Amino acid sequence: SAVISQKPSRDICQRGTSLTIQCQVDSQVTMMFWYRQQPGQSLTLIATANQGSEATYESGFVIDKFPISRPNLTFSTLTVSNMSPEDSSIYLCSVEDLAEDQETQYFGPGTRLLVL
Amino acid sequence: AQSVTQLDSHVSVSEGTPVLLRCNYSSSYSPSLFWYVQHPNKGLQLLLKYTSAATLVKGINGFEAEFKKSETSFHLTKPSAHMSDAAEYFCVVRGNTDKLIFGTGTRLQVFP
Repeated sequence: SAVISQKPSRDICQRGTSLTIQCQVDSQVTMMFWYRQQPGQSLTLIATANQGSEATYESGFVIDKFPISRPNLTFSTLTVSNMSPEDSSIYLCSVEDLAEDQETQYFGPGTRLLVL
Repeated sequence: AQSVTQLDSHVSVSEGTPVLLRCNYSSSYSPSLFWYVQHPNKGLQLLLKYTSAATLVKGINGFEAEFKKSETSFHLTKPSAHMSDAAEYFCVVRGNTDKLIFGTGTRLQVFP
């Protein structure tokens, strides 16, 4: 399976600021996704990062708050904009390679964000 | 619509005893089902998956799960718990839109 890294691994930010999270994969993958895991909760899909086009957002998530880029098949960024304490969560990227395994998503280690 | 229910939010076992983490799913067609594990301060690791092949699926670290269509269940088991198994476990169903739908998680505690 692909090796996925995320930067930063954790951060503490002030409200009103923005943070960009990077997700790097060691091989080209078809699909990349971003999830949020709020404290003590399960995972919620934020959006699908589409290479070369705008991301596809789930209900309740908007581009102005969570802009996403995916310039190539190995890299994506998620920005958490104008942060508030409610944005304190773990943000995880995941990948799926339709050429290798159409069913399975593999997850990065996550970025732990605390907003004060 | 697809959904998944993890019947226990917490499970506690003694080291060396069997583990059973229960999961029921709802799906209008034959689903793909997964178990992921999340150790403290770590990302999610795939334990095993069912994708319409053998109903008894063996995963990593001695875990296995059995797909029972008649009971709409996909329970995770391990014959003998180890201290390192203490973690959060998520049962996941792949929906008809190919999105993953996560259960609420089961926290497994293992006592010496």
